[in-house]
This record gives sequence, C-alpha cells and structure tokens, in this order.
Amino acid sequence: DQQVKQNSPSLSVQEGRISILNCDYTNSMFDYFLWYKKYPAEGPTFLISISSIKDKNEDGRFTVFLNKSAKHLSLHIVPSQPGDSAVYFCAASGIAAGKSTFGDGTTLTVKP
Amino acid sequence: EPEVTQTPSHQVTQMGQEVILRCVPISNHLYFYWYRQILGQKVEFLVSFYNNEISEKSEIFDDQFSVERPDGSNFTLKIRSTKLEDSAMYFCASRGRGFGNQPQHFGDGTRLSIL
Repeated sequence: DQQVKQNSPSLSVQEGRISILNCDYTNSMFDYFLWYKKYPAEGPTFLISISSIKDKNEDGRFTVFLNKSAKHLSLHIVPSQPGDSAVYFCAASGIAAGKSTFGDGTTLTVKP
Repeated sequence: EPEVTQTPSHQVTQMGQEVILRCVPISNHLYFYWYRQILGQKVEFLVSFYNNEISEKSEIFDDQFSVERPDGSNFTLKIRSTKLEDSAMYFCASRGRGFGNQPQHFGDGTRLSIL
C-alpha cells in the first residue's frame, strides 16, 4: 500500500518557466507534508513543508499547495533555474516526530 | 551549518558477512532514523530511534538488522548476515525537538554493495 505517490517520474521545463511537481496521498491521518530535494551522491535536503491545516505555504521561489479534500499537494517553483535540477521527494508525517513516508520521487530537469 | 555525517561512503561486503554502518547525527537532535534506497527505487523507512530505544520500525527491519547509539554521539546500523538484496544506499537522518513538521536532516548516505 503506497500511501504517498508521485505519479510523474520525470519533468522537464525551460529555465524561467514554472515547474509543478505533484504528490497524492491516501492516509488522511497525515498532519504534515514536506518536500525534499536530492542531488546525485547526496542525501535529501529539506525544502519546504506545510501543515494539514493550511492550504498554501510560500518560501521564496517555492510554494506548496495542499488540497486536503483531494489528498493532493503540489510544489511550484517559479522561476525555475538550472540549479533546481534534482530529484524531488514528497514526504508525509504524523503530528509526532516519527517516521516520514516518502513518495517515489520526481526527477526535475531545468533546461537553460 | 551542522550536518549529519555517515561513514563509510561506500562499503563492499561478501554475502553472509556482518556490516556496520556509522552515522554521527547533529549533536542536539533527539530523533534518529535509518532509510534505504535500492537503486532506482524509492526511499524506504527502516527504523526510528528515540530515547535510546526503537520507536518505530518497518517490515524491512527484520531480525538481521539492529541499531545502537553506543556513546551518545554515534548511531549505527548493523546488518548481521548480509544478503544480495541488502545492496542499497543507506541514509541516516536526525531531527530536533518538535512536531512532525520539523524536517529530518540527512547524511549523504553509505552505498552498500553485497557481492
């Protein structure tokens, strides 16, 4: 049972345009959703998070939107830069500081 | 900025041998985790550790796996009798005090290759 799904394994966008990465989840008990970015040969690094009581959180070029009724969230990167090229993981966790359940990841390529 | 460090970066081991993967979490963090990522697959949770005991573990974390925080700084993952399917990247992570919105800080991983 895959509780967190990223249905697009890859995404390619032009520099300066918007990148939209999507994530769906099945467990309505998740309280927090986090996005991590991963470069090759490195561990995931935290990017942005959102609480289940919010529908939007913004940090610079990165915005995460949460649609709780659809159990869907998305990460928007505007404008996209070549340095954003990486694998992006969506993760979900409960209220306590327990495990995070990760999606499969989406490889973003931003072309100059 | 403090970071999580993992050693070795690459470990090659014969099938059936024991292997210990080492991690030094961020010093004031309280929660510790191991994840693995088989090549081309998703990051999978193995185990979480808090207050000197396992707080949660996945189905993957069977009797061949164990974790230990022997000296208050290191956090180790031991695989007792390795199998070919244990070949993967193993990531250690740590998290400070707070709720589930607190991000985990990951090390750069140990690539484990079982021959």
